[in-house]
Amino acid sequence: QVQLVQSGAEVRKPGSSVKVSCKASGGTLRSYGLSWVRQAPGQGLEWVGGIVPIFASPHYAQKFQGRITITADRSTGVDYMELTSLTSDDTAIYFCARDLGTSDFWGQGTLVTVSS
Amino acid sequence: EIVLTQSPGTLSLSLGERATLSCRASHSVRSDYLAWYQQQPGQAPRLLIYAAFSRATGIPDRFSGSGSGTDFTLTISRLEPEDFAVYYCQHYGDSPRRTFGQGTKVEI
Repeated sequence: QVQLVQSGAEVRKPGSSVKVSCKASGGTLRSYGLSWVRQAPGQGLEWVGGIVPIFASPHYAQKFQGRITITADRSTGVDYMELTSLTSDDTAIYFCARDLGTSDFWGQGTLVTVSS
Repeated sequence: EIVLTQSPGTLSLSLGERATLSCRASHSVRSDYLAWYQQQPGQAPRLLIYAAFSRATGIPDRFSGSGSGTDFTLTISRLEPEDFAVYYCQHYGDSPRRTFGQGTKVEI
């Protein structure tokens, strides 16, 4: 059984950046990809980006291009999602999820609050 | 880029009733690449259906998926108390990008 454990809640000021981690255990996660999905308060799910093994590099949703970086540290089994130039619109719960195309295992979510 | 539009926004039903949720794609997609998720308040989403028709592990058979081309449907045959939640469709395609619909809330 795969488990994804994310880092804790973060509070950031507008214009700053945040880095959220996601550690996998209990399975061969690295055989598959990992997606990041966010959910603003009271809103729906939004795919932010992810790493899919058959593609050489991470892929990002168009709206985040230029201010998002997703990395995977294969030595530790931890994935990271860093978002820069934060605004209040980035306040959301950020989930990591195993990506097989669909996502069957999800992290618990990390609340990122952007406030002055 | 595929855009998924779900309807209705909210579905008000009673226990034991049948729920029919719609997901329309902006252009034709392969059925292999359409999924449905359930999200309870305060929880991560749960995969219900993949490849348009196939139930994920542990999903009760009252959940079923159908459709092709641009029109897909999630049906819950008889609503149980735990089924009142928000449901999302997702397209996952050949590209590494993923798209979600805006969600349908099923409420009592």
